[in-house]
Amino acid sequence: AQKVTQAQTEISVVEKEDVTLDCVYETRDTTYYLFWYKQPPSGELVFLIRRNSFDEQNEISGRYSWNFQKSTSSFNFTITASQVVDSAVYFCALLPHNFNKFYFGSGTKLNVKP
Amino acid sequence: DARVTQTPRHKVTEMGQEVTMRCQPILGHNTVFWYRQTMMQGLELLAYFRNRAPLDDSGMPKDRFSAEMPDATLATLKIQPSEPRDSAVYFCASGLEPGDYNYGYTFGSGTRLTVV
Repeated sequence: AQKVTQAQTEISVVEKEDVTLDCVYETRDTTYYLFWYKQPPSGELVFLIRRNSFDEQNEISGRYSWNFQKSTSSFNFTITASQVVDSAVYFCALLPHNFNKFYFGSGTKLNVKP
Repeated sequence: DARVTQTPRHKVTEMGQEVTMRCQPILGHNTVFWYRQTMMQGLELLAYFRNRAPLDDSGMPKDRFSAEMPDATLATLKIQPSEPRDSAVYFCASGLEPGDYNYGYTFGSGTRLTVV
């Protein structure tokens, strides 16, 4: 079975705080792909990162960083020094090796207050 | 930046009417997904195309929904007849598989459908 769990429904932080969004996935595939997407209030889904299962190297992009750990089936996303513009719903997603379907988590709504 | 274009952005229609949503994938992409987003169900897969061939449409109510790719530049999602429970945001996404290391799927801005 393929499944993505984002246990945090909503998180509120004050600007400049660091925040980590959790993502836990389930799959029996040995090859798979993990994604994070951002959905701002305007509604579009914005691609943030793709990580392949054979590469556990963590990624940093500006204030964003991702921690991929196969041992715990987690792909967590950290925003450092959060800003109001980071307020959005963030989705974690799993794409199996045959690329036939995105399994999306339920999303975490991040509220960053000034 | 290359974009996935969806039309219309908003659609209000009466129950029983036919609705057609269009998607222009990014040129060169070989994979197209249709997803529906509602508050209750989240993001649900409706259809999946690879090289224009429909590979999975198990998420669609077959009696009223149909999805096609008449050519590589156009994907369509049709609802006939529409019902109030079809009200949702419909997203199209395109990508290229096998993809590069950090290659993402691009989603369109969505079509917000309201059936009254």
